[in-house]
Amino acid sequence: DAMVIQNPRYQVTQFGKPVTLSCSQTLNHNVMYWYQQKSSQAPKLLFHYYDKDFNNEADTPDNFQSRRPNTSFCFLDIRSPGLGDAAMYLCATSRASFKLIVNPWDEAFFGQGTRLTVV
Amino acid sequence: AQSVTQPDIHITVSEGASLELRCNYSYGATPYLFWYVQSPGQGLQLLLKYFSGDTLVQGIKGFEAEFKRSQSSFNLRKPSVHWSDAAEYFCAVGAIKAAGNKLTFGGGTRVLVKP
Repeated sequence: DAMVIQNPRYQVTQFGKPVTLSCSQTLNHNVMYWYQQKSSQAPKLLFHYYDKDFNNEADTPDNFQSRRPNTSFCFLDIRSPGLGDAAMYLCATSRASFKLIVNPWDEAFFGQGTRLTVV
Repeated sequence: AQSVTQPDIHITVSEGASLELRCNYSYGATPYLFWYVQSPGQGLQLLLKYFSGDTLVQGIKGFEAEFKRSQSSFNLRKPSVHWSDAAEYFCAVGAIKAAGNKLTFGGGTRVLVKP
């Protein structure tokens, strides 16, 4: 029944070693988001894909990249993880279109997150 | 730019007592407002949302929230809490952008439930 699936749930990586987190969805939503959530803090949007269009937040470090090879999958790549990148990474999807006048917003569905530890 | 403030970082409530979590937002247009709940080590689950219409919205798990435009608030309430309600609660405002919609979260309120 899971609709937004993140793998793995827990990831341990070495300082400076590239790591990829994955997210898949069965909802056929056109928007996919990556959020970073550090301990006891609110989720912070890193970037999102609107269909194939990539939208980066202004304050997202260059160390973070993303790929979306098709509608169902989205990846978060951290090129050189630092200790400060240890966090929970949340993937979310939504079916959103500003062209819909009646209801331009659909709720975002979140995955269970991947907790990244950097050693 | 939109922003959300949750003034209470922690709230402790006795089981069976009522609960109210405060949320204030700042947004220049019609806000789309959400409350999410997060259990430890888990993702976010939507409790309820407000787009338009009736300002009192009902959600899952017995929660409700009231939108007050004059106060820029969207407070969450539950008449009688259960031990399973212990979690972190996030209020969020949604902004429609040409490149896709964006959620901005408040800092969260951690709810502890005493037996």
